[in-house]
Amino acid sequence: DVKVTQSSRYLVKRTGEKVFLECVQDMDHENMFWYRQDPGLGLRLIYFSYDVKMKEKGDIPEGYSVSREKKERFSLILESASTNQTSMYLCASSLWQGTVGTEAFFGQGTRLTVV
Amino acid sequence: AQSVTQPDIHITVSEGASLELRCNYSYGATPYLFWYVQSPGQGLQLLLKYFSGDTLVQGIKGFEAEFKRSQSSFNLRKPSVHWSDAAEYFCAVGGGAQKLVFGQGTRLTINP
Repeated sequence: DVKVTQSSRYLVKRTGEKVFLECVQDMDHENMFWYRQDPGLGLRLIYFSYDVKMKEKGDIPEGYSVSREKKERFSLILESASTNQTSMYLCASSLWQGTVGTEAFFGQGTRLTVV
Repeated sequence: AQSVTQPDIHITVSEGASLELRCNYSYGATPYLFWYVQSPGQGLQLLLKYFSGDTLVQGIKGFEAEFKRSQSSFNLRKPSVHWSDAAEYFCAVGGGAQKLVFGQGTRLTINP
């Protein structure tokens, strides 16, 4: 089975801290994604990556950056955490199949609280 | 731009009753459509997907969904719900851009 592992289930950080959320997938997937989930808003795409060192902005990239140095690992970085970044963060990966997308496989999520 | 609307934020049904969750999408080309389920505190699990072919697709846990191009809909159905089906359900659309766009989600409550 595909496994997407997020390094933390729960995090509490202080305003202004630099925060790293780590995600690792074990199925050699080309694509990796970071979503943010908030009640009533569903999942919103922050960034995605379709190859090592490649990244594209999603719908809400402000305040975030990402890093993909190895194919299996995709990191989300909050440069200076703010309280409005308190949320559930979900990492996902999917296999590139030419121009046909496949389903995304999700990690368990990281619930981040910024105080 | 692609988008997904799930008109029902919260639905309550009795155990054993039938279920239909609505999903409407906007996409410029042939869409790839998905339904995911999220149990409390968990990540998302794929229920079923539609890429092409038969417009009625079967998924896990007894769920099915029907793609209706004329109505831009991809509604999820189950003939008889179980208490364990209580969860949040997300419809998503994707395509050649590789990224999925999700609806707002529908929270399902099951009455005993």
